[in-house]
Amino acid sequence: GAGVSQSPSNKVTEKGKDVELRCDPISGHTALYWYRQSLGQGLEFLIYFQGNSAPDKSGLPSDRFSAERTGGSVSTLTIQRTQQEDSAVYLCASSLQTGVTEAFFGQGTRLTVV
Amino acid sequence: RKEVEQDPGPFNVPEGATVAFNCTYSNSASQSFFWYRQDCRKEPKLLMSVYSSGNEDGRFTAQLNRASQYISLLIRDSKLSDSATYLCVVAANSGYALNFGKGTSLLVTP
Repeated sequence: GAGVSQSPSNKVTEKGKDVELRCDPISGHTALYWYRQSLGQGLEFLIYFQGNSAPDKSGLPSDRFSAERTGGSVSTLTIQRTQQEDSAVYLCASSLQTGVTEAFFGQGTRLTVV
Repeated sequence: RKEVEQDPGPFNVPEGATVAFNCTYSNSASQSFFWYRQDCRKEPKLLMSVYSSGNEDGRFTAQLNRASQYISLLIRDSKLSDSATYLCVVAANSGYALNFGKGTSLLVTP
């Protein structure tokens, strides 16, 4: 596709359930980022992948959060045993190279934990 | 201390006004600087990169002061369509994640 694609666009889940969020970056982009944004707040960095390097997981808020990127393309963010404070918009972005070039964002997944 | 700090605003200005936003960053090793724009309930989009010599794109001018670790964005002749949140973004260099400020909210009124 032409842009970064995220699915689902909306997800409502019960507290304690696991969820998987998917990101399909722009073809050829080696860098992929996950951020989350709570209502009225700024973007909180979660994790990023750059090519075959070990991902920077320094932003993951707890061990309930994990992410993988298969074949250097599609990424999945998994949240286990969801809590209400996990409710937010989860944004994925990709760029040709980490940090120095424009990052293109997907439209996000709005996660609501009830 | 946050790595990237911005005045959250909101800035309410009339059409045609000139408005300036400031941003400070804490990491002196930062090498890449950007302004992004985010409309309500939309994803952030790149407005402009910020170069050491300063750069202009139409009504928008970005400045970088490395000594003071300070970035600015000037918007001239504000339009209603400029109403959005403006995000200051900093990265140390290749291999480091983009760090976003919390954003400055701008509302341009008729």
